[in-house]
Amino acid sequence: GENVEQHPSTLSVQEGDSAVIKCTYSDSASNYFPWYKQELGKGPQLIIDIRSNVGEKKDQRIAVTLNKTAKHFSLHITETQPEDSAVYFCAARKGGGGYQKVTFGIGTKLQVIP
Amino acid sequence: GAVVSQHPSRVICKSGTSVKIECRSLDFQATTMFWYRQFPKQSLMLMATSNEGSKATYEQGVEKDKFLINHASLTLSTLTVTSAHPEDSSFYICSAFGQDSNQPQHFGDGTRLSIL
Repeated sequence: GENVEQHPSTLSVQEGDSAVIKCTYSDSASNYFPWYKQELGKGPQLIIDIRSNVGEKKDQRIAVTLNKTAKHFSLHITETQPEDSAVYFCAARKGGGGYQKVTFGIGTKLQVIP
Repeated sequence: GAVVSQHPSRVICKSGTSVKIECRSLDFQATTMFWYRQFPKQSLMLMATSNEGSKATYEQGVEKDKFLINHASLTLSTLTVTSAHPEDSSFYICSAFGQDSNQPQHFGDGTRLSIL
């Protein structure tokens, strides 16, 4: 089955700096890569996603890049703010139709220091 | 606003009690819902896939008689933890797809289950 590796497990940055979280996946059949933000005591919230026919996607301060050949994808947060502090999960989902289950990375705890 | 509602948000009960958790899709029909379990500082572990009108599909190692799933309507799935014990204490999260499998799945806010 699919295996998603995520690093770093923890990340501390100064407010205003950028944060980068990287993931790799193993199954070349995966074609959808969402990123979720989970705040303490809450469920994960989708913040951005990318499909395998796209190499990069940006939404304000958040961007995601995908390298299909290397099976790498990354989340970039620019101009970080204290409210960006949370646990971030990358995930991968296979194509092929139907409701394919999502495989999550282990999570990255991001701390933005004011 | 929330597209998936999960209830209750927190449960504390005695060992041996059965606990039911509800997951509702708001403003859309969810033919498929997923139930996850999350231990502290860990990732989400898929427990089972709940399909409306049919039996749930359980992941390897998850006891179907322990974790009963019912998906009787297009907007509601329930997870019942039967005869709960302290080791069942965890954060349980549901998620739902709409009828278009190309859309993202949305997560509920989770249920913190504590068994004394």
